[in-house]
Amino acid sequence: DADVTQTPRNRITKTGKRIMLECSQTKGHDRMYWYRQDPGLGLRLIYYSFDVKDINKGEISDGYSVSRQAQAKFSLSLESAIPNQTALYFCATSDPGQGDEKLFFGSGTQLSVL
Amino acid sequence: GENVEQHPSTLSVQEGDSAVIKCTYSDSASNYFPWYKQELGKGPQLIIDIRSNVGEKKDQRIAVTLNKTAKHFSLHITETQPEDSAVYFCAASKNTGFQKLVFGTGTRLLVSP
Repeated sequence: DADVTQTPRNRITKTGKRIMLECSQTKGHDRMYWYRQDPGLGLRLIYYSFDVKDINKGEISDGYSVSRQAQAKFSLSLESAIPNQTALYFCATSDPGQGDEKLFFGSGTQLSVL
Repeated sequence: GENVEQHPSTLSVQEGDSAVIKCTYSDSASNYFPWYKQELGKGPQLIIDIRSNVGEKKDQRIAVTLNKTAKHFSLHITETQPEDSAVYFCAASKNTGFQKLVFGTGTRLLVSP
């Protein structure tokens, strides 16, 4: 079973719609992240959370919001989707208590905004 | 802020050949340099990392070298195999209490049998 699970795997939506991408983890890690991957641009950080009461903006947070409902759950919302938000989205976790910042990624959600 | 450049964007080699992917970074304060491998349909997975107090690190067929003076680091894969075909990302960060990684743009490696 996957340690970091993202749902859905694929989503097609229309401009202006509100959508939510969900992430759950069984690794027991406190830190969770949302990244966006675009061809030729690599991975860019959208939001991150160190615990349930902590939310921080990343490099490209405009147009996105997040909710950390529990230690194991971190969701990403697009309030009003636009076509340039078409991308591959990854959730990740980390545990600095292990002495490094190794990221554990989910399998990704491919989002298409028409 | 930190900027990481990665080259080449695509790399094709024959099975058994070596492959080298290079990255440069801009912030001299960066001190942690991981490499992630992303297979088709999967999320990136850490394959090797190096810290600034070390010049080279090896793990079986893969190795990473770091040149702090020139601010570049490289991934070396020897005796490549078809299963090495994937997209590889380098990244850099500095220890500010939270290591916020800045990723390179990725290299698609294709190993032909």
